[in-house]
Amino acid sequence: SAVISQKPSRDICQRGTSLTIQCQVDSQVTMMFWYRQQPGQSLTLIATANQGSEATYESGFVIDKFPISRPNLTFSTLTVSNMSPEDSSIYLCSVEGLAGGYNEQFFGPGTRLTVL
Amino acid sequence: RKEVEQDPGPFNVPEGATVAFNCTYSNSASQSFFWYRQDCRKEPKLLMSVYSSGNEDGRFTAQLNRASQYISLLIRDSKLSDSATYLCAVANAGKSTFGDGTTLTVKP
Repeated sequence: SAVISQKPSRDICQRGTSLTIQCQVDSQVTMMFWYRQQPGQSLTLIATANQGSEATYESGFVIDKFPISRPNLTFSTLTVSNMSPEDSSIYLCSVEGLAGGYNEQFFGPGTRLTVL
Repeated sequence: RKEVEQDPGPFNVPEGATVAFNCTYSNSASQSFFWYRQDCRKEPKLLMSVYSSGNEDGRFTAQLNRASQYISLLIRDSKLSDSATYLCAVANAGKSTFGDGTTLTVKP
């Protein structure tokens, strides 16, 4: 299994500002994923971050709002730009692992963001 | 229609009860299926992968029906510690889609 850490674990931010979330994995992985989990809801994939190429964004998410960096195989950042209260959510990074030959996902502990 | 749909719950059951969760998916090309458990204010963690032949892990049994495109999770002899939100996930080409989760509360 993979061990994933995220920073910060939580933050309270003013609208209009930006926050960069860091994700560190204890092993090299090809793909890293960024999810958002809004209160009382399930996980929604924001984008897939591959090392050496631009992130691939899901419908409804754009690079200008959620720029992602992936400088190496163990690290990624997600920035939430020009925040509004609607961005209040838990942001989780994730990597794939192998569970009996099936690609399960391992999640970081999440970053709990509140935008005032 | 959502790509993955789960029983909305919540399920409130007494200790020792048997409870079943169902999840349907719309993409027939889906390759892998999972059940995750998420405790309050924590990240999801894998509970079980779901195999075509079905699989059992102690009190937990997972089933996959590809023809009808649903997966199920059965919990027998439920414990207080089983209280959590259970998320089904369907993966295709490395990308997982999650259901909204079903909340289970086991009461003494």
